[in-house]
Amino acid sequence: NAGVTQTPKFQVLKTGQSMTLQCAQDMNHEYMSWYRQDPGMGLRLIHYSVGAGITDQGEVPNGYNVSRSTTEDFPLRLLSAAPSQTSVYFCASSPREGTEAFFGQGTRLTVV
Amino acid sequence: AQKVTQAQTEISVVEKEDVTLDCVYETRDTTYYLFWYKQPPSGELVFLIRRNSFDEQNEISGRYSWNFQKSTSSFNFTITASQVVDSAVYFCALSERNKAAGNKLTFGGGTRVLVKP
Repeated sequence: NAGVTQTPKFQVLKTGQSMTLQCAQDMNHEYMSWYRQDPGMGLRLIHYSVGAGITDQGEVPNGYNVSRSTTEDFPLRLLSAAPSQTSVYFCASSPREGTEAFFGQGTRLTVV
Repeated sequence: AQKVTQAQTEISVVEKEDVTLDCVYETRDTTYYLFWYKQPPSGELVFLIRRNSFDEQNEISGRYSWNFQKSTSSFNFTITASQVVDSAVYFCALSERNKAAGNKLTFGGGTRVLVKP
């Protein structure tokens, strides 16, 4: 059972570079979301999706884009990386509201 | 806007002691869901428990128990007879009962629990 798969696990970027964090789930879940985790601040929502073709902004969306062309995939794009985007990123999926969210293993991103 | 507060940033106990983690939340929704997640040193997020706002029955599951009090907007979590493997960061989280909200979670800042042998 793969669950939620994130790639890469680690990444170092230079300021101004762009990249895409990949997230895929094989549980046919409608809902997917991206969070970032910074020390002492818990996890904060970046973007979320309630189904293919539908996305919306979370608490901290600036500097990130998402798309949801299929149920399975929900990539997160960093348009022009900044040191403030150094964080651990988690992708999650869930079948419906009020249910357990299944998280990927996380991507540790460092922007220098 | 929703808010979750975990006032305890770090708790240190000796093995076999009980540990209670506090969680206070704010929401204007009348129906919502509360969760506890565990993040061990390896970094993954592990689901522990879930509670509906309309069910205030408190339960025990193995060494875990929780105390949900809607009147005080609190959802506290207790580990009984702690073990070294319980050392982790514990997060309290809240979500709306609204399909358009996509099960998005509002997390507290986390409480680091250190269980010493």
